[in-house]
Amino acid sequence: ETGVTQSPTHLIKTRGQQVTLRCSSQSGHNTVSWYQQALGQGPQFIFQYYREEENGRGNFPPRFSGLQFPNYSSELNVNALELDDSALYLCASRYTGTGDETQYFGPGTRLLVL
Amino acid sequence: GQQVMQIPQYQHVQEGEDFTTYCNSSTTLSNIQWYKQRPGGHPVFLIQLVKSGEVKKQKRLTFQFGEAKKNSSLHITATQTTDVGTYFCAARSNDYKLSFGAGTTVTVRA
Repeated sequence: ETGVTQSPTHLIKTRGQQVTLRCSSQSGHNTVSWYQQALGQGPQFIFQYYREEENGRGNFPPRFSGLQFPNYSSELNVNALELDDSALYLCASRYTGTGDETQYFGPGTRLLVL
Repeated sequence: GQQVMQIPQYQHVQEGEDFTTYCNSSTTLSNIQWYKQRPGGHPVFLIQLVKSGEVKKQKRLTFQFGEAKKNSSLHITATQTTDVGTYFCAARSNDYKLSFGAGTTVTVRA
């Protein structure tokens, strides 16, 4: 077990709705990244948060937004859901500051948009 | 951001045989990471390579970073059924974006 948890495990939404996914990082980790993994593909980087500030973003539209809290838990929010948003959403946490880039993935939230 | 290409996409291996999966980039990479994802699971960090020509071993797994830091390989010897899964390489760019390859999906014939 990585110590990274995500909720919910599965979710079904309809087009146009909004969704919030949650991640609890491993204790002591100050950096969290979110990824979207479509079926049969590699994870695609959405964004990264370090000490509650977004410090990196992939090629995702502004309707994908996030938050990181002082206790290093985080949220991914997606507005105006589209069918193509159906995917496994993964968060990964690590500690930035030692040069060790080991990051630990959570089990993911599987989102289905109908 | 960095773009990494992985080959082959699929690898069907007889149990006990060796195989290699490759990761290539058109640009010089600062580092390369490898992950394994079991069917229905999430990616699990295996290793990070940083230095030109670096070679690291984990039991039956050998990871190599090319001299030009544009390619990497993962070699598995004496494949076992526990090696089933998808192996991803990933490269981090200066803006903290981690780019994953499409992965090599490994199946094992007993």
